[in-house]
Amino acid sequence: AQKVTQAQTEISVVEKEDVTLDCVYETRDTTYYLFWYKQPPSGELVFLIRRNSFDEQNEISGRYSWNFQKSTSSFNFTITASQVVDSAVYFCALILTSYGGSQGNLIFGKGTKLSVKP
Amino acid sequence: DAGVIQSPRHEVTEMGQEVTLRCKPISGHDYLFWYRQTMMRGLELLIYFNNNVPIDDSGMPEDRFSAKMPNASFSTLKIQPSEPRDSAVYFCASSLGAPSGEQYFGPGTRLTVT
Repeated sequence: AQKVTQAQTEISVVEKEDVTLDCVYETRDTTYYLFWYKQPPSGELVFLIRRNSFDEQNEISGRYSWNFQKSTSSFNFTITASQVVDSAVYFCALILTSYGGSQGNLIFGKGTKLSVKP
Repeated sequence: DAGVIQSPRHEVTEMGQEVTLRCKPISGHDYLFWYRQTMMRGLELLIYFNNNVPIDDSGMPEDRFSAKMPNASFSTLKIQPSEPRDSAVYFCASSLGAPSGEQYFGPGTRLTVT
């Protein structure tokens, strides 16, 4: 069975601190995609990144970076120099691509609530 | 470009009433998804469509729920009759080219059934 675990329920940091959100996934499939979404207090879900299971290169986008390690089934997300506007719930998700699986089923973790205080 | 549009944004109804949630996907996207978010169960997929055809409805909780997509720019999720346990935020999302593509979510409809 497929599963995404975000062990950190809540994290609180002070502005300008770096913070890493952990994501561990489980699947027997070899082809899949991993995602991160942000849900700010306003409630919408904002797409951040999509990563193919065959691409283990780390990704950096401004203050955001992602570390994908298949050996540990982890896809961690780091925010550098956090800002108050980063306060949100962050979701990690997994989707399978092999035929016969639930191809459309984005399997979400429970989310990590990040609070950035000024 | 307009994102995914959902209406209404908030719905309060009494138990037993019919509820219809609406979604307009991003123009050109060929996949449409309905999700439900609750504190207890988190985010879960209810159903998804490809080119207006339902592909996987295994997440639909029971016969009280139904979804349609009469054309490429409109979908509905109907609950009849509604129950208090249906209270949740319902999200619609769309993607292009594959169900594993980037799914863009609408703002959600917060449903409260009293």
